[in-house]
Amino acid sequence: DAMVIQNPRYQVTQFGKPVTLSCSQTLNHNVMYWYQQKSSQAPKLLFHYYDKDFNNEADTPDNFQSRRPNTSFCFLDIRSPGLGDAAMYLCATSRDQGQDEQYFGPGTRLTVT
Amino acid sequence: GENVEQHPSTLSVQEGDSAVIKCTYSDSASNYFPWYKQELGKRPQLIIDIRSNVGEKKDQRIAVTLNKTAKHFSLHITETQPEDSAVYFCAALSDGGYNKLIFGAGTRLAVHP
Repeated sequence: DAMVIQNPRYQVTQFGKPVTLSCSQTLNHNVMYWYQQKSSQAPKLLFHYYDKDFNNEADTPDNFQSRRPNTSFCFLDIRSPGLGDAAMYLCATSRDQGQDEQYFGPGTRLTVT
Repeated sequence: GENVEQHPSTLSVQEGDSAVIKCTYSDSASNYFPWYKQELGKRPQLIIDIRSNVGEKKDQRIAVTLNKTAKHFSLHITETQPEDSAVYFCAALSDGGYNKLIFGAGTRLAVHP
């Protein structure tokens, strides 16, 4: 009955080697979010999609890109991972924008070697 | 933009005691305040939320209070249990065009048997 699914749960990549993280949802929610969470810190919003409309946070590095080919799937692409990009990446969804609960996926822990 | 401050950063209580976590926000237009619980290695999960037209909300052992004038809101956990041990994040919904959640830095709660 998983509602927000992230694959893989653990990802190891080499410095500079592109990596893609995936998220899927069974809730048919309009909004999908990508957060970066480093140890003992709050989740930091990278970007989100409202339907097909992409919204990038001003301080999200250009190294991070996202794709949402359909309602159910959203991808996070890191073009050239650096050591500082090692973190937990959380995908979340909400039915709509505004005062709607955000449902988080289990996260993908990214290690950069 | 919105800024959310959360205190304390760590909180240690004995089982059965109450725990209180406080947050302040800066944007008077914020109108939605959720609280998330994140256990070690797991996803953030919504435990309670409050909207700006309500001053208090309670769900069993958990309550949240909101003071719009002072721009602060608090989480109260009564009769704490060891399974309440986790990191708790407050958040405020910022009316930044697309309603973005701004998280506090988190409070690590330890409940000792």
